[in-house]
Amino acid sequence: GAVVSQHPSRVICKSGTSVKIECRSLDFQATTMFWYRQFPKKSLMLMATSNEGSKATYEQGVEKDKFLINHASLTLSTLTVTSAHPEDSSFYICSGQGVNTGELFFGEGSRLTVL
Amino acid sequence: SQKIEQNSEALNIQEGKTATLTCNYTNYSPAYLQWYRQDPGRGPVFLLLIRENEKEKRKERLKVTFDTTLKQSLFHITASQPADSATYLCGLRRNTPLVFGKGTRLSVIA
Repeated sequence: GAVVSQHPSRVICKSGTSVKIECRSLDFQATTMFWYRQFPKKSLMLMATSNEGSKATYEQGVEKDKFLINHASLTLSTLTVTSAHPEDSSFYICSGQGVNTGELFFGEGSRLTVL
Repeated sequence: SQKIEQNSEALNIQEGKTATLTCNYTNYSPAYLQWYRQDPGRGPVFLLLIRENEKEKRKERLKVTFDTTLKQSLFHITASQPADSATYLCGLRRNTPLVFGKGTRLSVIA
């Protein structure tokens, strides 16, 4: 299957700082990428849909000014958690969608811990 | 609102047996349903996709069924192995992004 690379895999930051997470599709062009958030023993919760060259579409309850998403190219989408707080600590996972199929190719996830 | 239920939070089975995981949904008519495997601290990995007009799909030791009347999908792992131990997620989609159930944590005991 296609490969999605997500970086960093783990990040620890102080409260009030901003953290950027990168998601790259390595062997396919992802016109659409999805950002999910997952709490322990919980389901993947969709945060936003990122379309190349346009503004992201955020799910209800997700603050777009707090979770900035940029999808400047067909292979790169970034999620920036601005002014992070301890409640933002979570596992963030991106995914790219296959062109001809509905399957999603997920990155390895980024564990964010805000102190 | 849409609801996706995976039969149990955890399932323990003996090595060599067939594991059967259930995904039920309500208030939804998915065009297709997908199953993913997720290991601790890792991103999900795609396993199988089945469309609404398909009854069954197979891939090696995996089999998925899709009953749109019952609004249910069954995911089977035959001849299970300890390496199959993981959390398995079902996801549904029509015109919206993929929506996931909470997952079932499968433990295959040697």
